[in-house]
Amino acid sequence: SQQGEEDPQALSIQEGENATMNCSYKTSINNLQWYRQNSGRGLVHLILIRSNEREKHSGRLRVTLDTSKKSSSLLITASRAADTASYFCATVSNTGGFKTIFGAGTRLFVKA
Amino acid sequence: ETGVTQSPTHLIKTRGQQVTLRCSSQSGHNTVSWYQQALGQGPQFIFQYYREEENGRGNFPPRFSGLQFPNYSSELNVNALELDDSALYLCASSLGLAGVNTDTQYFGPGTRLTVL
Repeated sequence: SQQGEEDPQALSIQEGENATMNCSYKTSINNLQWYRQNSGRGLVHLILIRSNEREKHSGRLRVTLDTSKKSSSLLITASRAADTASYFCATVSNTGGFKTIFGAGTRLFVKA
Repeated sequence: ETGVTQSPTHLIKTRGQQVTLRCSSQSGHNTVSWYQQALGQGPQFIFQYYREEENGRGNFPPRFSGLQFPNYSSELNVNALELDDSALYLCASSLGLAGVNTDTQYFGPGTRLTVL
């Protein structure tokens, strides 16, 4: 089963609005990463947050991590039509060998 | 562009056949990971290689195997193909061990495998 679970599964917003996606995971982690994927092609790394960090910013992206609740959120501010894509969180753990576990993703649609 | 390439782009095979998918990592990247992504799903971790040794594996049967070479290339081999093996196969490279430090994984564009 998937380690990370994204919520919502799909999100449709207007250009200029903010988009928030949430991710929950089950086991202890080294770090958590967010990725973007366009049309079933390769994933693009957006941001990495370590287990001892609580918040991180990169341009219009803001990621938070709450290890006590085993959850993370990705906020995209002032969304653009070009932000339309699937967004995945991935957790990296070293339990029984290194593993990177992805969630099922949030499909974001930004309408112009 | 991530500097990670995969070949072929698309592939059609018949059930029971064997397939080899190839990945070329960024120069200097010691870790390569392989993922299987079914339509509408997130990538599923198959395994990870660090300096030519497997050091992590997901819930995939032994008919999924891999190799990593000193020239930063790697292979994913799948024997006895089944219909459910139809998916996008992604490789990702990173400098060292993902999770040990702040290693970012750089993904290739993927190989779409169809098993008939």
